[in-house]
Amino acid sequence: EADIYQTPRYLVIGTGKKITLECSQTMGHDKMYWYQQDPGMELHLIHYSYGVNSTEKGDLSSESTVSRIRTEHFPLTLESARPSHTSQYLCASSSPSYNSPLHFGNGTRLTVT
Amino acid sequence: QQQVKQSPQSLIVQKGGIPIINCAYENTAFDYFPWYQQFPGKGPALLIAIRPDVSEKKEGRFTISFNKSAKQFSLHIMDSQPGDSATYFCAASKQTGANNLFFGTGTRLTVIP
Repeated sequence: EADIYQTPRYLVIGTGKKITLECSQTMGHDKMYWYQQDPGMELHLIHYSYGVNSTEKGDLSSESTVSRIRTEHFPLTLESARPSHTSQYLCASSSPSYNSPLHFGNGTRLTVT
Repeated sequence: QQQVKQSPQSLIVQKGGIPIINCAYENTAFDYFPWYQQFPGKGPALLIAIRPDVSEKKEGRFTISFNKSAKQFSLHIMDSQPGDSATYFCAASKQTGANNLFFGTGTRLTVIP
């Protein structure tokens, strides 16, 4: 049973709309991540956080922003969605150690028309 | 630049066969190599992991073989079952750096009954 929850599971939205993808975890993990997943491609890290009030950009350039006001909550926001943002977005969390396993949510599949 | 190269992209085996998925890396700073399993509609989940000080690790029907000098590692699934049908991601992690976990591009495994 997943201890990390993402909503919505699916989202179809028009170009130019503002969207927020929600991610919450109940494990008390300090580290949280957002990955972008496209078919046949590696998981690309777009944002991560070491804890409350900490946010960093990942390797993949993204027009999205994140916030970390509470330990358990790590929402991702796109101010103006574009078709190029169509993808699957995965949220994950882990303990601080570099070799701690990542716990992933079930993802949000975003389609921008 | 892709940090971890994974092959094949897809694999079809008969039930009872032994699928093998291969990964290679260049960065000698990597010292932890996890494998993640992802079922359709779910997020990836840690399956098994290895450190470079051992050449093999087994957990049930899953075995990682590690060749430090060749900078290659592979996943073998013994007596594969239809329930093993999933996408498998290898990954490599290092202790330092802002982003210290890198994924391969994934292998979609189908086990035919």
